Amino acid sequence: EVLLLESGGGLVQPGGSLRLSCAASGFIFRAYAMTWVRQAPGKGLEWVSAISGSDGSTHYADSVKGRFTMSRDNSKNTLYLQMNSLRAEDTAIYYCAKDVVPVISKGWFDAWGQGTLVTVSS
Amino acid sequence: DIQMTQSPSSLSASVGDRVTITCRASQSITSYLNWYQQKPGKAPKLLIYTASSLQTGVPSRFSGSGSGTDFTLTISSLQAEDFASYYCQQTYSSPQTFGQGTRLEI
Repeated sequence: EVLLLESGGGLVQPGGSLRLSCAASGFIFRAYAMTWVRQAPGKGLEWVSAISGSDGSTHYADSVKGRFTMSRDNSKNTLYLQMNSLRAEDTAIYYCAKDVVPVISKGWFDAWGQGTLVTVSS
Repeated sequence: DIQMTQSPSSLSASVGDRVTITCRASQSITSYLNWYQQKPGKAPKLLIYTASSLQTGVPSRFSGSGSGTDFTLTISSLQAEDFASYYCQQTYSSPQTFGQGTRLEI
């Protein structure tokens, strides 16, 4: 069974930093691209960032580019999202999702974690 | 970036109804269009991939169609458990954008 478990969310002040983790199990982690998707309270889904399973390349939404860094540790089957210079508009539930292909496109997300809540507020 | 526009934003329906949700892409995405269902407080769940392929375990009352820029998700006979939000997503190119969602209500 594929399992994705996010952690690291919490309350942080504007301008602060937070690192999210997503522990994966039940599949060959290094073989697949992974993605972070967020959902602000009462809003829709927003694609945030993705990392390739083939070469570790990353893509980011314009809204987080230069502030967020996505990485993966294939030896630990864990995905990370380092979030710096946080803003109120980053407040959301952050989900990690597993793609069905190793590259960042042409796939679909067949497994999702339960999400972790990030609240940016003073 | 490719923009995805869903319609309607919300929809009221009854058990047994046939429902169609539309998703339009700002440029051709061939068939790289996926549909997800999300219930309150839960993570999204994959329903349809590559426009018309039914994910394993998803009831056959769900179907998808379309290619290029125009796509539809159809629920042939609504069940009580289908009342949820639905999102389309393009994975033709990065960023892999979502539609704004459709809330399906009783």
